[in-house]
Amino acid sequence: GAGVSQSPSNKVTEKGKDVELRCDPISGHTALYWYRQRLGQGLEFLIYFQGNSAPDKSGLPSDRFSAERTGESVSTLTIQRTQQEDSAVYLCASSYGTSGYNEQFFGPGTRLTVL
Amino acid sequence: RKEVEQDPGPFNVPEGATVAFNCTYSNSASQSFFWYRQDCRKEPKLLMSVYSSGNEDGRFTAQLNRASQYISLLIRDSKLSDSATYLCVVNFYSSASKIIFGSGTRLSIRP
Repeated sequence: GAGVSQSPSNKVTEKGKDVELRCDPISGHTALYWYRQRLGQGLEFLIYFQGNSAPDKSGLPSDRFSAERTGESVSTLTIQRTQQEDSAVYLCASSYGTSGYNEQFFGPGTRLTVL
Repeated sequence: RKEVEQDPGPFNVPEGATVAFNCTYSNSASQSFFWYRQDCRKEPKLLMSVYSSGNEDGRFTAQLNRASQYISLLIRDSKLSDSATYLCVVNFYSSASKIIFGSGTRLSIRP
């Protein structure tokens, strides 16, 4: 079956512009996660959704970052007024059942470059 | 102190060797533990979950030591294809799940 998909695969933008990243989880997966991975570094947990709710938004780096999920399916991560330090790969993952307790299946990521 | 710490490596070992990694975590309320593998410029993939009693999957053995707050991964008879970064993942739950990935341990297997 289809895995987690993300779009776009690559995004180059100018500093100050807004970007929207999309994640399509595996059908039926109730938990969805967003991570950021800077070059050569580990994964930084940003936010997760259980259904359409995000119980804890404290991992988002600043108020320029927001995320939503609708229909217990697609999620979008929006970064407003992008800065160069936002350049990274943004990974989305989904899992069946309660978040944190089951295998996470990752998408291929969106590589964001802010010039 | 980081919530989840791993030796970044790199570990450079010959094919056939046994290699072990540790990962320490700071929150004693941590509830679930995993090892993921990430190949260069690829997304992470689950290698194995870590259970309290320890678990084995072929050449891979994972153990959890709650008293000392660490998990370990042992790879026996290493193969060239084991070369990757190994990520330790810890989940703890208070009012919501908090999932912490370690920064990873790089392993390179040489012929």
